[in-house]
Amino acid sequence: QITLKESGPTLVKPTQTLTLTCTFSGFSLSTSGVGVGWIRQPPGKALEWLALIYWNDDKRYSPSLKSRLTITKDTSKNQVVLTMTNMDPVDTATYYCAHMADYLPGYWGQGTLVTVSS
Amino acid sequence: QSALTQPASVSGSPGQSITISCTGTSSDVGGYNYVSWYQQHPGKAPKLMIYDVSNRPSGVSNRFSGSKSGNTASLTISGLQAEDEADYYCSSYTSSSTPVFGGGTKLTVL
Repeated sequence: QITLKESGPTLVKPTQTLTLTCTFSGFSLSTSGVGVGWIRQPPGKALEWLALIYWNDDKRYSPSLKSRLTITKDTSKNQVVLTMTNMDPVDTATYYCAHMADYLPGYWGQGTLVTVSS
Repeated sequence: QSALTQPASVSGSPGQSITISCTGTSSDVGGYNYVSWYQQHPGKAPKLMIYDVSNRPSGVSNRFSGSKSGNTASLTISGLQAEDEADYYCSSYTSSSTPVFGGGTKLTVL
């Protein structure tokens, strides 16, 4: 059974760096073809893909946010970490991590709401 | 990469069938058979309903089906039920080796 869970701060101040951790079970990020992605959803708005990392450490970023994002993995801990710098109120959203199946999200975590406010 | 185009809303009566379209380009929807559909109820995480254009994960009702023609993918829900009322999103693999989502469609069951 594949499960994922996001963790991190619920409130960050503008200009701060956000660090989110995705802890998963039921699969290994050392298995060929496996990936984990991050997606966000501002309140009342659509899903937006942010970043993904594959078993071979191949990393992909949203072109519009690439300069602010870093994704890393810790295979031994079954974790993937996303950092986003220079947070702004427009970055307020629910952030999801997901198991990537055939290059697209399959299983999703429950999501974590991050509010950016001073 | 631009978001895939979906209608903002669709509606149907119980028992009817509805179709939601998802239009992209030859660099995403038209170029690959990697299109997924997600159902999202308010306050919940998205749930995978269709993958690889037309495949249903285990446990998803066979009332949900997917197809693709050219640069447009479609999700059809037959025998509409009240519980189908939700937001639906499509997603496609792209030539940049990254995913892209649609803008979402709100399904209302009348």
